[in-house]
Amino acid sequence: DTAVSQTPKYLVTQMGNDKSIKCEQNLGHDTMYWYKQDSKKFLKIMFSYNNKELIINETVPNRFSPKSPDKAHLNLHINSLELGDSAVYFCASSPLPGTGRNGELFFGEGSRLTVL
Amino acid sequence: GESVGLHLPTLSVQEGDNSIINCAYSNSASDYFIWYKQESGKGPQFIIDIRSNMDKRQGQRVTVLLNKTVKHLSLQIAATQPGDSAVYFCAEAPWGNNRLAFGKGNQVVVIP
Repeated sequence: DTAVSQTPKYLVTQMGNDKSIKCEQNLGHDTMYWYKQDSKKFLKIMFSYNNKELIINETVPNRFSPKSPDKAHLNLHINSLELGDSAVYFCASSPLPGTGRNGELFFGEGSRLTVL
Repeated sequence: GESVGLHLPTLSVQEGDNSIINCAYSNSASDYFIWYKQESGKGPQFIIDIRSNMDKRQGQRVTVLLNKTVKHLSLQIAATQPGDSAVYFCAEAPWGNNRLAFGKGNQVVVIP
């Protein structure tokens, strides 16, 4: 009954490959996110979707393409992987901001991507 | 595992002592602040939040203090326990805005 689940947890791949990370939330939230955490533990937002619509798209290479088939799922596809893409990618979901805890983020366990 | 050369600010604290973690924020428009805790191998988890109309808020063993004048936030953990060992992040956003900006993490190591 994991609230935000993402797969795979670990991903090791060669430069130039294409890979996907999947995320699902069972909290009934309308908003989902992808965050990237680098080796210094710095967390940076990449994308945010609200009910399948893209609402935040930070300065991220267009090799990264999020897809939200429905509001409970947000996948991340990465083309032509580079060494600098190595990081931990976190999916998160939240209720609408401006209510309760202003859209408190519920994070998944992370997907550690290593590009060789 | 951790990367070699990871240089997070680290607070080592004896079990049972109090911990204080500090955070400076830069966005004057931010009026909502959260502290998150990230244990090794897991995603960040909500600890406590505070809105800018308050300067102090208490939870279970945790207290958040907000000083808007100097844009400073702190997290106090009372009677620190081994389970408190983690990386702690402050995050800020304008109320009603879901673009949370995270600060640098602070590693807390509890010595039994």
